[in-house]
Amino acid sequence: SQQGEEDPQALSIQEGENATMNCSYKTSINNLQWYRQNSGRGLVHLILIRSNEREKHSGRLRVTLDTSKKSSSLLITASRAADTASYFCATDPNFGNEKLTFGTGTRLTIIP
Amino acid sequence: DTEVTQTPKHLVMGMTNKKSLKCEQHMGHRAMYWYKQKAKKPPELMFVYSYEKLSINESVPSRFSPECPNSSLLNLHLHALQPEDSALYLCASSQERGAGTGKNIQYFGAGTRLSVL
Repeated sequence: SQQGEEDPQALSIQEGENATMNCSYKTSINNLQWYRQNSGRGLVHLILIRSNEREKHSGRLRVTLDTSKKSSSLLITASRAADTASYFCATDPNFGNEKLTFGTGTRLTIIP
Repeated sequence: DTEVTQTPKHLVMGMTNKKSLKCEQHMGHRAMYWYKQKAKKPPELMFVYSYEKLSINESVPSRFSPECPNSSLLNLHLHALQPEDSALYLCASSQERGAGTGKNIQYFGAGTRLSVL
């Protein structure tokens, strides 16, 4: 399977703390994307980082990418209750049939 | 408008029924996708349409039949489903399939929660 692995599988933190989740993947990529999914809803795109980028910011989100280790991390700073959701990385491989492959996901719970 | 609309939101069907899921987008996107998602799992790709042509079928059983009547609409026809097909079915669209271009950022609908009895 080309599926990425995310860790931790689940994370609970207090509101206001920072949350970090990690994604490891197996293939060479063009880019890596992060998505959020609120319970039972569709996924929402958060951020895309290209293979030649090492770090990217969007509001309270910071994404890093290490292509030598085939890993990425998503940091959410100053967490809020509304950040409670599942977070998935998705890799865009630079070979084959051009489909995104989603990681296993991290379930984040923010405790008010 | 960055919305992908899926109907119905919920569907309960028997194993002998025929039903259809519908998906619509008006963003001018040329790639559309069907995913199946079980609880606490990532979405699993089922089908991809690119420029209204089926370009990926992930070995999905024939009881699922996709259709793309035009560039804005995507249907999934269901027939003789099994209880294990109960899941959240998600539709998504992107500008293109476009590997490496960033044009494959996907916009998802809210999904159809399907229960097969």
